[in-house]
Amino acid sequence: AQKVTQAQTEISVVEKEDVTLDCVYETRDTTYYLFWYKQPPSGELVFLIRRNSFDEQNEISGRYSWNFQKSTSSFNFTITASQVVDSAVYFCALSEADYGGATNKLIFGTGTLLAVQP
Amino acid sequence: EAQVTQNPRYLITVTGKKLTVTCSQNMNHEYMSWYRQDPGLGLRQIYYSMNVEVTDKGDVPEGYKVSRKEKRNFPLILESPSPNQTSLYFCASRSGGNQPQHFGDGTRLSIL
Repeated sequence: AQKVTQAQTEISVVEKEDVTLDCVYETRDTTYYLFWYKQPPSGELVFLIRRNSFDEQNEISGRYSWNFQKSTSSFNFTITASQVVDSAVYFCALSEADYGGATNKLIFGTGTLLAVQP
Repeated sequence: EAQVTQNPRYLITVTGKKLTVTCSQNMNHEYMSWYRQDPGLGLRQIYYSMNVEVTDKGDVPEGYKVSRKEKRNFPLILESPSPNQTSLYFCASRSGGNQPQHFGDGTRLSIL
């Protein structure tokens, strides 16, 4: 069964602290894609990153970095030197590839609410 | 500007009164989906469409209908809304090859 688990319901940090959001996934497919989305208080969903199952390289984008480890089925997200504007709900999501090479369903975790205090 | 547009953004209505939430994308995407977001449950897919006149059920299709008569539009229809359909709804679209889904800004529905 496909499943995404974000065990951290809420995290509160003080500005400038580093914070890691955990994501653990389950899938029987060998080809799949992992995503992170941000949902700020205004409510929209903002795409942050996509990673395919064949690419285990970590990625860094400014203060954001992602650690993908197939051995532990995890795709964790770290924000370095957090800022108040990082306060949001963050969703991890999984998409499997069907025989046609594409599927339309994103399986979301339940989200982690990050509160960055000034 | 590439975007997915949903209307209305907010709606309060009563049980049993049919309503339609419209969704339109200007990116010529083949794939479109509807999701609902509920506290503690994340987002769950309601219906999706792979192209014009091709639609299929997602994980929580009960009580909803969709249509895809044109590539750019994918309306969500609640024929007889009930209070358990009170939720935040998102429309999304994407091109092929497992590209990221682009989401609309959401529609908050309250069914009294």
